[in-house]
Amino acid sequence: NAGVMQNPRHLVRRRGQEARLRCSPMKGHSHVYWYRQLPEEGLKFMVYLQKENIIDESGMPKERFSAEFPKEGPSILRIQQVVRGDSAAYFCASSPTSKDYNEQFFGPGTRLTVL
Amino acid sequence: GNSVTQMEGPVTLSEEAFLTINCTYTATGYPSLFWYVQYPGEGLQLLLKATKADDKGSNKGFEATYRKETTSFHLEKGSVQVSDSAVYFCALVSVTGRRALTFGSGTRLQVQP
Repeated sequence: NAGVMQNPRHLVRRRGQEARLRCSPMKGHSHVYWYRQLPEEGLKFMVYLQKENIIDESGMPKERFSAEFPKEGPSILRIQQVVRGDSAAYFCASSPTSKDYNEQFFGPGTRLTVL
Repeated sequence: GNSVTQMEGPVTLSEEAFLTINCTYTATGYPSLFWYVQYPGEGLQLLLKATKADDKGSNKGFEATYRKETTSFHLEKGSVQVSDSAVYFCALVSVTGRRALTFGSGTRLQVQP
């Protein structure tokens, strides 16, 4: 059973360009979470999605950032008009459907560098 | 809101030394508690967890006990190895309400031969 997949692993963008980060959850998992890790800091929650629905986007900046998890295909985190402050590691996690606590399994992350 | 406080690093130890990394939390209700480990250039791996008061999570020689009275979840290992060098994150999730993990800032552990 493959783990959570993220691609690309490294992404370099110039200021003003768009960044698209992809996350394929573990097989059978229908919940996806995106977190951002700034250098030397802990992870901060951005958005929580289920298939075709955004459940909680309280941690995501209102401008330039969007996320989706379509019925088919990976979850996408999109950052428009990137700025240097967007440089960070972006981690995706997935969890199975559960009524109780959700153990989250993390992908290897995408390291975004904005020049 | 929820928050997690960890001791600042780096923590530098010699091989076979005893390790303690302190973690305290603030949360509404009774959260589940976790320790994650991040090796250089990699994502986070779940190290251990505890879902209710007085539970002890353990894995690979690491242990942590859910202490409700002191709102703590300190990580311990009796004898560290060089391969334990990594960043350790304490985290919690509320079993009601928002399901996102709340992380501490991480503690870097360096084990010297």
